[in-house]
Amino acid sequence: KAGVTQTPRYLIKTRGQQVTLSCSPISGHRSVSWYQQTPGQGLQFLFEYFSETQRNKGNFPGRFSGRQFSNSRSEMNVSTLELGDSALYLCASSRSVSGGGETQYFGPGTRLLVL
Amino acid sequence: KNQVEQSPQSLIILEGKNCTLQCNYTVSPFSNLRWYKQDTGRGPVSLTIMTFSENTKSNGRYTATLDADTKQSSLHITASQLSDSASYICVVTPGSQGNLIFGKGTKLSVKP
Repeated sequence: KAGVTQTPRYLIKTRGQQVTLSCSPISGHRSVSWYQQTPGQGLQFLFEYFSETQRNKGNFPGRFSGRQFSNSRSEMNVSTLELGDSALYLCASSRSVSGGGETQYFGPGTRLLVL
Repeated sequence: KNQVEQSPQSLIILEGKNCTLQCNYTVSPFSNLRWYKQDTGRGPVSLTIMTFSENTKSNGRYTATLDADTKQSSLHITASQLSDSASYICVVTPGSQGNLIFGKGTKLSVKP
């Protein structure tokens, strides 16, 4: 069974630009969660989608948005990039919502560098 | 405020030795507590998931314990191997459908 895949793996952008990251969950998984990981803050929850609906949202500004498609693939978008958005962005999939005790499977992440 | 604190921040041990990592949380009520292993440059991998009613759970050489009264969890690694070198992250889910709260992790280095 293929694991969670994320594209692209690496990305360099400049301040003010926008970026779209993609996540393909494990086949049969309907929940996709997004996380930001930085050395200073560790892993922080961005949002979770289940069956194309946003179920939970973390404490991030509105510049961070996401969506999920009918095939469970998900995208996240960051507009008006800031230097502080440089981070590893991870997505994780599970069969049902993450808070219910289901095991989450993480992708390898997209490393974003904002110059 | 819901928080998850891990200690130590980093740890160096010799191959073959045992070690214990600590996780203290203030999340209440909580649904489950998880331990993840994250190798450098890769996404986290789930090691164990425990509900509030479970005291211990094992996954090979990894054993997690949970004391819901004192709000403490530990991850014990037995007979460490070089491949155990990684960051270990404790994660708590508040309530039944709350957002996962992550600790900042313990960076373990196993030396030959």
